[in-house]
Amino acid sequence: AQKITQTQPGMFVQEKEAVTLDCTYDTSDPSYGLFWYKQPSSGEMIFLIYQGSYDQQNATEGRYSLNFQKARKSANLVISASQLGDSAMYFCAMRETGYGGSQGNLIFGKGTKLSVKP
Amino acid sequence: GAVVSQHPSRVICKSGTSVKIECRSLDFQATTMFWYRQFPKQSLMLMATSNEGSKATYEQGVEKDKFLINHASLTLSTLTVTSAHPEDSSFYICSASASKGQVRRGYTFGSGTRLTVV
Repeated sequence: AQKITQTQPGMFVQEKEAVTLDCTYDTSDPSYGLFWYKQPSSGEMIFLIYQGSYDQQNATEGRYSLNFQKARKSANLVISASQLGDSAMYFCAMRETGYGGSQGNLIFGKGTKLSVKP
Repeated sequence: GAVVSQHPSRVICKSGTSVKIECRSLDFQATTMFWYRQFPKQSLMLMATSNEGSKATYEQGVEKDKFLINHASLTLSTLTVTSAHPEDSSFYICSASASKGQVRRGYTFGSGTRLTVV
C-alpha cells in the first residue's frame, strides 16, 4: 500500500533562513507523483510544488525546491529565505494510480507545522 | 488558473439536521471530485471519490447513507451530511481533478467547510 511519512510534527526556522521539511514515501508503482501543499490556519490547501517519478531534475517553484532522492524514496521540501507568512502546516502527498482517464486521489502525510520566528 | 468554489465556508447546525456542501469548478470540467475530512491538527482523510454521472466510491468506514455525494455535472459536486451529530463536526474539503493530461497541477482544492454540529 502507498504511504507518506512526515516525521517532523513541528519545525522552527528563523526568518530569512532556509528550512527543509522531510517526507518519505512508499509505493510499488513505477509511476507516481509527489506534491507539497501549504495549509494556513484558514484551511485552504495551497499547491506548492510537484515532482513526477520520471522527472530527471528536482522541481523548483520560486523559493520552493524539492530534494527528490528516488532511491531513498524521499521528497523533502526546501524553503529558502523563510518569511513570516510561511508559518503554516505543510503536507506532503502522493498521487495514487487512477483508473481510465482520471487521476487517482492524493494520500497525505500527517503534516509538519512550520513556525517562522522574526 | 483552475478554481473550485466551495460553499458554505462555515456552518453550524443542530443535531439531527442535514447540511449540504457544494463544490463548483468555475473554469474547468472536473471529471473526478474527491471529498476529504480533516479533524483538528490531523491530516486529510479521503472519504469518497465521485465521477460525473456515476455513483460515488466510498472509503472503508465511511457511511454512504450518512454522507451523500452527488456529482450530477462536470462542474458541480455536493456532499450532504444527513442527520448530523456532534461527532460529524469537522473540516470538509473537496478536490477536483480534471483530465489525466493535466497531471502536474491537476488537483484543485476548494477552500473547505468547517462544520459544527451542536
